[in-house]
Order: sequence, then C-alpha cells, then structure tokens
Amino acid sequence: LAKTTQPISMDSYEGQEVNITCSHNNIATNDYITWYQQFPSQGPRFIIQGYKTKVTNEVASLFIPADRKSSTLSLPRVSLSDTAVYYCLVGDMGSRSGATNKLIFGTGTLLAVQP
Amino acid sequence: NAGVTQTPKFQVLKTGQSMTLQCAQDMNHNSMYWYRQDPGMGLRLIYYSASEGTTDKGEVPNGYNVSRLNKREFSLRLESAAPSQTSVYFCASSGDDWTQYFGPGTRLTVL
Repeated sequence: LAKTTQPISMDSYEGQEVNITCSHNNIATNDYITWYQQFPSQGPRFIIQGYKTKVTNEVASLFIPADRKSSTLSLPRVSLSDTAVYYCLVGDMGSRSGATNKLIFGTGTLLAVQP
Repeated sequence: NAGVTQTPKFQVLKTGQSMTLQCAQDMNHNSMYWYRQDPGMGLRLIYYSASEGTTDKGEVPNGYNVSRLNKREFSLRLESAAPSQTSVYFCASSGDDWTQYFGPGTRLTVL
C-alpha cells in the first residue's frame, strides 16, 4: 500500500482558492487517488477520486501529474464551512476483491478557513 | 435511505467488560469496514468484510472480533475492554466503485 504525505495544517480566508498537495512516491500502477473530508464528530465523506490528469466535480478538482507521484486537491473559493480535515488516500480500486481495498487514512490536513 | 447507521452513539465501559457495536447499511453494498479514530489521529482499519460470510484483519485487529451477520450488518465485539480501546469507532460500507460511506460513529470510553 502506497504511503501518502500531506501537510499537517493549512490556513486560508473565505473566498480564496485552496490547494492541498499530497505526495505518494510509491504509487502502484493499479492505484487510484481518493480524497475524503471529515468534519468534527462526523465520519469522513468522499470528495473526489482520480487516476491521472484532471478530475473535476461540483465540489473540487483533482490534479494528477503524469508521473502520479503527487496529487493536488483544489477547493475553489472556500467558505467557513470548508474547515475540516482532508485525507489523501491511495489504493487499488480496480480489483473486485475487497482484500485489496484496505485504505490507509493517515493524519490528514487540517484546513482552517477564517473570515 | 438511512445510509450507514451505528448503535450505540455513546458508551462507557469498565475495564474487562464486553460489548458489541452494531452497524447496518441499506445501500446493498458488498464490503463493510470497522475503523477506530483516536484524538488527533487518522482512521485505522480494524477489520473489514469483502462480502457476506467473509472477514479479514486490518491494521489493528488485536482485542476485537467481528461478525458479518448478513449483507446488511457487520458487528464489532470487544470481549474484554481495555482503556487503550477508548476511541471513536466508525463503520463504513462500499459498493462496486469502492467509495466508502461512513456512519456517524460510536464514542467509546473505557475506564
């Protein structure tokens, strides 16, 4: 399982774009990159997932360079409600065997958005 | 759809007591998981179940047992609780796209 490294914390202000970078040097060919968001006292919530290049949904964008050794979660125009912990995970999503879907969450990045 | 539900929400145990944490999902997912989260830490996988009738160990299985009762339900049992098991426990499930959906958590304190 590929280990991920991300900043422990980041600060931002409302209305700014926030980019959180995650490094995963040992990513395997079948691994996908997934980001989750966790608010205090709640379970994590799926944000976005990608394999390569760029993925965008209504909440965020995920940028993955060609070598896939890192990825960047981009949150456009954050608000106070985006204050949360963001986890970058790498794992084999292609297998239909649940035995390979053992995700390592790590400690995540605490994003603090201020007015 | 209720998604993933967990009971109880809170529990206080004395050292040596036993208890079972219940988890159920109504999304017809094959895979289910139990995690623990200690203060200021990420989630650590305790056990998972790839399908009904199968279970397997995660990162931190010692002191726990699980039962995949049917496709909907996956329970976590502490046979003899220890203070080191004080934590928040999350259950999750996933379908074919492997996106995990989490329950609200159970806050367990072992005195």
